[in-house]
Amino acid sequence: ETGVTQTPRHLVMGMTNKKSLKCEQHLGHNAMYWYKQSAKKPLELMFVYSLEERVENNSVPSRFSPECPNSSHLFLHLHTLQPEDSALYLCASSQDWAVRQETQYFGPGTRLLVL
Amino acid sequence: AQKITQTQPGMFVQEKEAVTLDCTYDTSDQSYGLFWYKQPSSGEMIFLIYQGSYDEQNATEGRYSLNFQKARKSANLVISASQLGDSAMYFCAMREVYFGNEKLTFGTGTRLTIIP
Repeated sequence: ETGVTQTPRHLVMGMTNKKSLKCEQHLGHNAMYWYKQSAKKPLELMFVYSLEERVENNSVPSRFSPECPNSSHLFLHLHTLQPEDSALYLCASSQDWAVRQETQYFGPGTRLLVL
Repeated sequence: AQKITQTQPGMFVQEKEAVTLDCTYDTSDQSYGLFWYKQPSSGEMIFLIYQGSYDEQNATEGRYSLNFQKARKSANLVISASQLGDSAMYFCAMREVYFGNEKLTFGTGTRLTIIP
């Protein structure tokens, strides 16, 4: 596997379910990101991890809980979501965080539908 | 004011023609980075090209070039000899770094459709 992978690619869940999104990067990067992409809205940064430490949390509701067990893996744990949380969730990684010339490389995303 | 503005929500272009996708940005920082990404219907955000604010020459990557006009704060993407596979959403993004923090801001995107 190369690049950034995400599983599952599609997820349908009820508001009372608990599920997790997984992201893995095979690039040897030190920073990983979660973004939310809703229809007709710009990408919204949710969380940033640098060297396995959370460095950014952009006022995301507590029903979203990130976890970064090591520099290659990033999870987004979901519980008691709302229908408005339905979106494409994108994971990205970059060599380092807060370095201007670094490029973020994205995974294919997980399309989440909350019923 | 919006940080990144993409004024073309949709564009239709004949195959093999060149196309320019507009992007203007707003920042008071002197040092920043500009990126273009392509997002096909599959969802993956594919990095295309990068331009640093201090780069004197316009960035080029194969059929992609970035028309960087710093004084006008514009960073338009030019795709030469368009192909059917170029049909996708295109996003302009700007990275600012300050006080050991970073912010990558995306525009709302342009949907490009290449017509055979």
